[in-house]
Amino acid sequence: GGIITQTPKFLIGQEGQKLTLKCQQNFNHDTMYWYRQDSGKGLRLIYYSITENDLQKGDLSEGYDASREKKSSFSLTVTSAQKNEMAVFLCASSKDRGRGTEVFFGKGTRLTVV
Amino acid sequence: GDSVTQTEGQVALSEEDFLTIHCNYSASGYPTLFWYVQYPGEGPQLLFRASRDKEKGSSRGFEATYDKGTTSFHLRKASVQESDSAVYYCALSNNNNAPRFGAGTKLSVKP
Repeated sequence: GGIITQTPKFLIGQEGQKLTLKCQQNFNHDTMYWYRQDSGKGLRLIYYSITENDLQKGDLSEGYDASREKKSSFSLTVTSAQKNEMAVFLCASSKDRGRGTEVFFGKGTRLTVV
Repeated sequence: GDSVTQTEGQVALSEEDFLTIHCNYSASGYPTLFWYVQYPGEGPQLLFRASRDKEKGSSRGFEATYDKGTTSFHLRKASVQESDSAVYYCALSNNNNAPRFGAGTKLSVKP
């Protein structure tokens, strides 16, 4: 077994601020993901990475940057936070990106922009 | 691109009611289809998956059958319990691409 740890759990930012969310996994998984969770819109893919230093854009990458400097960690940066933005950001990992592979999720970082 | 559509945003039932949550997908070839469940304060976790036409996935009394003809993977449970209250996500994974998830269905079960 393993665990995905996301920090911080709660993040409050100012409009226009650059904000960074961090994620660590100890599964020794190759692939890591960032999803944004909004009520009524489900989970939307922001970025994913199939190995260290690799980045692949998802469906919602505009306004975000990501970094995978180590196999075990994957960070997400909101480049300019939007006022009244509220969402939960979920980090996830999987052994590989084969089409039947199970994805394991962290508990999320809840972002509020004031 | 590949996508998943869940038609019910919220479902409210009483204990022992029958549950159906509809999931339809759009993808080429034979994607793997998943149901994930998310309890309050937790991340989503895999309920079960299916990879071939007519394959049935099941877990904890929940089941769904992969139907390529109707491009569907509907979730069913014969008798729900209060502890089944959660958000349920249908998802697909295809051609080594990252999984895509539906909008989620919030299930509330009254005792």
